[in-house]
Amino acid sequence: GQNIDQPTEMTATEGAIVQINCTYQTSGFNGLFWYQQHAGEAPTFLSYNVLDGLEEKGRFSSFLSRSKGYSYLLLKELQMKDSASYLCAVRDEGDNAGKSTFGDGTTLTVKP
Amino acid sequence: DAGVTQSPTHLIKTRGQQVTLRCSPKSGHDTVSWYQQALGQGPQFIFQYYEEEERQRGNFPDRFSGHQFPNYSSELNVNALLLGDSALYLCASSSDTYEQYFGPGTRLTVT
Repeated sequence: GQNIDQPTEMTATEGAIVQINCTYQTSGFNGLFWYQQHAGEAPTFLSYNVLDGLEEKGRFSSFLSRSKGYSYLLLKELQMKDSASYLCAVRDEGDNAGKSTFGDGTTLTVKP
Repeated sequence: DAGVTQSPTHLIKTRGQQVTLRCSPKSGHDTVSWYQQALGQGPQFIFQYYEEEERQRGNFPDRFSGHQFPNYSSELNVNALLLGDSALYLCASSSDTYEQYFGPGTRLTVT
């Protein structure tokens, strides 16, 4: 099975940088996703890491260390619209590759 | 290009009733996954359909069943509804890549 942990809530200031951590213990691993979910809306894809290292995409970056079972999402130059829940999800491998297990999400509040 | 669509948007049912939720995948996608998201929690994987067959299944009882049609659209059926089935039901579609596109969801309330 999969177990995914991420902080429940975080608060940051507009214009600042915030790092949201995710740790996982899994019986299989075939990549880690980060999704953004605004209240009452569907999750939207942010990033996917399958190899160790940093993936940068505009203001958002995601890091993965498979040996440590650890990932983080880095958000730079925070904007008010970044206030949302950020979901970490691990994709199973092999015959279960279609299955993703999600954490409960980190609710980020960006303040002026 | 239409993204993933789901119907209905909201639904209220009584305990013991049955419900059917519908999903049309993004154009070009052939795989549909269903998730249940309770308030304040992350989505929980229910099952995935590919080529009209259930390919993987999460830890959900047999009351939860599904179907995929030749046009790749899908249905989620839940029988003998319980209060605990109240949640947002999300459909996600994908093809041969890792990226999933989620629909807007169906908010199910069981009273």
